[in-house]
Amino acid sequence: DAKTTQPTSMDCAEGRAANLPCNHSTISGNEYVYWYRQIHSQGPQYIIHGLKNNETNEMASLIITEDRKSSTLILPHATLRDTAVYYCIVNNAGNNRKLIWGLGTSLAVNP
Amino acid sequence: DVKVTQSSRYLVKRTGEKVFLECVQDMDHENMFWYRQDPGLGLRLIYFSYDVKMKEKGDIPEGYSVSREKKERFSLILESASTNQTSMYLCASRDRGISEKLFFGSGTQLSVL
Repeated sequence: DAKTTQPTSMDCAEGRAANLPCNHSTISGNEYVYWYRQIHSQGPQYIIHGLKNNETNEMASLIITEDRKSSTLILPHATLRDTAVYYCIVNNAGNNRKLIWGLGTSLAVNP
Repeated sequence: DVKVTQSSRYLVKRTGEKVFLECVQDMDHENMFWYRQDPGLGLRLIYFSYDVKMKEKGDIPEGYSVSREKKERFSLILESASTNQTSMYLCASRDRGISEKLFFGSGTQLSVL
């Protein structure tokens, strides 16, 4: 199963866009990119996922490069409540037993 | 919204005790999971269950067992708690099929003294 590489930490100013990168150079054709986040002392929360097209929902946008070797999660107007650890994961849909959870990116949104 | 409820937020137990961690989900999900999370190690899968009375070992099952007698409830059992089982335990559920989302509980911080 493909693994991902994310920066350990990032900072963002409140109200600005937060762009969180993820490298997944060994992703295979049927693997999706998933993003979750974990606010301190809570369980992870699903944000968004995609296969090859860009995706947007009420929480965030996901941009996947054409070669699918990297992606970016965009929080368009970060708030203090977005301070969390963000996990980028790749996996076959419906095969969560094999999810490999790295250490994610710790995002600090500053006032 | 799906709710995954873990019975305890914090738990303190003694070495050698048998410990039960309970998890209940309210969305009729087929699959349920138990993870532990330790600083610097990320989430690691202990066990998962894909149906009532069906279970499979995850990556670190040693020292643990599970029980799934009803669809909504998935229990993690520490047969004889040890200090190296001090950790945050997270339960999750997911619908069978193409549904991609894992829904997590708030976690149980277990301390074994």
